[in-house]
Amino acid sequence: KNEVEQSPQNLTAQEGEFITINCSYSVGISALHWLQQHPGGGIVSLFMLSSGKKKHGRLIATINIQEKHSSLHITASHPRDSAVYICAVKGGSEKLVFGKGTKLTVNP
Amino acid sequence: NAGVTQTPKFRVLKTGQSMTLLCAQDMNHEYMYWYRQDPGMGLRLIHYSVGEGTTAKGEVPDGYNVSRLKKQNFLLGLESAAPSQTSVYFCASRRNYRGSSSYEQYFGPGTRLTVT
Repeated sequence: KNEVEQSPQNLTAQEGEFITINCSYSVGISALHWLQQHPGGGIVSLFMLSSGKKKHGRLIATINIQEKHSSLHITASHPRDSAVYICAVKGGSEKLVFGKGTKLTVNP
Repeated sequence: NAGVTQTPKFRVLKTGQSMTLLCAQDMNHEYMYWYRQDPGMGLRLIHYSVGEGTTAKGEVPDGYNVSRLKKQNFLLGLESAAPSQTSVYFCASRRNYRGSSSYEQYFGPGTRLTVT
C-alpha cells in the first residue's frame, strides 16, 4: 500500500463546478504539500500546511491530522484549472513522499 | 528572479553515454533536490543537498552522482546511461527556516531524458 493515496485518479468536471481532490496518508507527518503540474510539465507549489485550512483565490486546502487526510477544493472551476494535482507529505526525514496525482479536466 | 532553472530541457543519449544535468536557483535556498518522474508513479527522490558541499542519497540513487560545489547549483550526473534512466528529471529547492512553510519546495521546469 502506498504511503500517500490520492482520489480520484481522474476527474472530469464542467466549468463552474466545485471540485474536491482527496489525499490520505498512512505515516506521521510534519507538513503536507499540494502541487499542480501543468499539461506542459511544470510543477507549481500551491500550498504547504500542517494544520487547519489555507485559501488562495479559488483554491482551498484543508488537513485533518488525526484522520490523516487532506482535501484540495477548487471553487468555480475553469478550463485553465485542468492539470495534475499532486499531494506530498513530509515526515521526519528530508524526503517528501508523493502521491501519484489526480488528473483534472475541466470542460467549457 | 528566475527561480529554479534546469539545463538542458531535452536530451537523447545512447546506452553507456554520460551526461550532467545542471540545476540553478537564485533564491539563496539551502536545500536542493533531484527527482525523477515516471509514468504511473509519484515523484521519487534521487539525491539531495542540505547545503554547499554536502550531498545525500534519496530513494533511488543508484546510477546517479551529484555535486554541490556552489550554493546556487546542484549537478546530477549519469556516468553510464541505461534505458531504465529514461525519465523526466526535476530539480527543486527550499529555504532553511523554522516552520512548516519552509518545507515548501520550488521546482524547475524539468529535463526530459531518453536513453536508447
